[in-house]
Amino acid sequence: SQKIEQNSEALNIQEGKTATLTCNYTNYSPAYLQWYRQDPGRGPVFLLLIRENEKEKRKERLKVTFDTTLKQSLFHITASQPADSATYLCALAYYGQNFVFGPGTRLSVLP
Amino acid sequence: GAVVSQHPSRVICKSGTSVKIECRSLDFQATTMFWYRQFPKQSLMLMATSNEGSKATYEQGVEKDKFLINHASLTLSTLTVTSAHPEDSSFYICSARDRGQGWTGELFFGEGSRLTVL
Repeated sequence: SQKIEQNSEALNIQEGKTATLTCNYTNYSPAYLQWYRQDPGRGPVFLLLIRENEKEKRKERLKVTFDTTLKQSLFHITASQPADSATYLCALAYYGQNFVFGPGTRLSVLP
Repeated sequence: GAVVSQHPSRVICKSGTSVKIECRSLDFQATTMFWYRQFPKQSLMLMATSNEGSKATYEQGVEKDKFLINHASLTLSTLTVTSAHPEDSSFYICSARDRGQGWTGELFFGEGSRLTVL
């Protein structure tokens, strides 16, 4: 079965730096990959979607890459702010199947 | 963006009682809704897929008689935890997809329901 790993359980960075989170999977590449943000005690909020034939997607300070050779997606937050502190989840989907979520990385941006 | 309302946000009940959680899409129609369970510092575990007008599809290991799902309309799905026990205590979250989007469309999540069974 598909195994999804997200770099570390927790990541601390200094304000203003770029945060880079990774999402690795083990089986064949999904058709789509999404990233969500989840705050404590709240439901996740959609951030970005990237398709298997896309290398990179951007939205404001966010950037997602998708490398099917490495079986990896990277999620970048540039000029990070304390308000970016949250848990970030990647989710993979194969054609006709539901999204499967990774364990998440808890990001803390220190002022 | 689209809003999904989940109610109640917190519920405390005695062991053996049943608890109903509602999930409503407020400004869009959802033929498909999803129910998840999340333990502290763990990811979302898909429990079942709720399909409007038909039976829910449960994930392996999830007891359908324990977790009753009803999706009677395009804007409402309910999850009933029957004869709840302390081990059912968890954070339950629903999500919905706009019927106008394909299966890859973003999922809109409710705020979650914290169930505590005494």
